[in-house]
Amino acid sequence: GAGVSQSPSNKVTEKGKDVELRCDPISGHTALYWYRQRLGQGLEFLIYFQGNSAPDKSGLPSDRFSAERTGESVSTLTIQRTQQEDSAVYLCASSPGGYTGELFFGEGSRLTVL
Amino acid sequence: GQQVMQIPQYQHVQEGEDFTTYCNSSTTLSNIQWYKQRPGGHPVFLIQLVKSGEVKKQKRLTFQFGEAKKNSSLHITATQTTDVGTYFCAGKGGGADGLTFGKGTHLIIQP
Repeated sequence: GAGVSQSPSNKVTEKGKDVELRCDPISGHTALYWYRQRLGQGLEFLIYFQGNSAPDKSGLPSDRFSAERTGESVSTLTIQRTQQEDSAVYLCASSPGGYTGELFFGEGSRLTVL
Repeated sequence: GQQVMQIPQYQHVQEGEDFTTYCNSSTTLSNIQWYKQRPGGHPVFLIQLVKSGEVKKQKRLTFQFGEAKKNSSLHITATQTTDVGTYFCAGKGGGADGLTFGKGTHLIIQP
């Protein structure tokens, strides 16, 4: 596809279960970001991948959160032992990278933890 | 780490009135971007400013980047109902830093 694709679009899970969210960036985009957005709130930075450089993991809120990216393609965000406060929309964005470059966002994955 | 503050958090205006949102960074930025997020949607890129003191216009929207490259503003003239949404600024520091978003300004327009 032409845009950033995220799956699943909606995920309802029980507290304590693990979830995996997937992001397919735009082909050729070297930069990939994950953000968390709680209802009515701003964008909370989670992690940033730029090419083959070590990712910037400074935004991950706890060791229950992790993310991987295979080269300059698909990324997965994993949340282990989910808690109710993890409920949010998880947005992925990709960018051509480098000095400048707008972010292209996916539609997001809405996670609800019961 | 880099912090980007944005005010106001909410702004109610009557249709036809002007609107301004302000963005301030704790550090000098290499560039700043602005995004709009409609209710229920995802952020969409509006513009990027790179140069000190830069001013750019898009129809009724005027974007400014401060001389010190630490602050920016977005001004909308004569708001319309289609302007409803949340406006985010996002700053990029030097080097390989990623983008840091402000918390956004929610624009509510009363017809």
